[in-house]
Amino acid sequence: SAVISQKPSRDICQRGTSLTIQCQVDSQVTMMFWYRQQPGQSLTLIATANQGSEATYESGFVIDKFPISRPNLTFSTLTVSNMSPEDSSIYLCSVVRDRNAYEQYFGPGTRLTVT
Amino acid sequence: GIQVEQSPPDLILQEGANSTLRCNFSDSVNNLQWFHQNPWGQLINLFYIPSGTKQNGRLSATTVATERYSLLYISSSQTTDSGVYFCAVMNFGNEKLTFGTGTRLTIIP
Repeated sequence: SAVISQKPSRDICQRGTSLTIQCQVDSQVTMMFWYRQQPGQSLTLIATANQGSEATYESGFVIDKFPISRPNLTFSTLTVSNMSPEDSSIYLCSVVRDRNAYEQYFGPGTRLTVT
Repeated sequence: GIQVEQSPPDLILQEGANSTLRCNFSDSVNNLQWFHQNPWGQLINLFYIPSGTKQNGRLSATTVATERYSLLYISSSQTTDSGVYFCAVMNFGNEKLTFGTGTRLTIIP
């Protein structure tokens, strides 16, 4: 398994501002991902965080809105930029240790409310 | 892309009852996981089960990959089993999990 922490755990932000969410893993992992879960919905993949290079974004998500960094094999950040109430969601970091088995583990999530 | 449907969408049971949750997927998969999302939003890994059957205490899961479905069984339900259950799949040549629609389980004391 993996021990994953996220900061902050929750936040209430004003429209038009930005928030950076941190994800820290207890040991090196192969892959890191960021997901969004809108209220009452399932999880949607935002992007794959690539170490030392630009993230790979899914359809409907762009770097200007959700810039992602991954400076090493245990840490990543997701920024939600120029926020609107529609960005109110839970944002989750997840990791894969072993590319062969590909079991994915999730952090506790960051609950964001935009007013 | 691959489609993942779960049923039923909602399930309300008395404590002590048994339940079966189903996950259907539209293409061949090489990875299937079951998660429980507790009321605080934490996703807990239940099973990594691309095929076959596994058991862990009161929970068990079976995936029939050739028929494109998986089942999660919960026996002797407890109130702590309440929450949303998700299955997520990954198909060949793709390194991304696609999540199902979820089943919301409520256990009444």
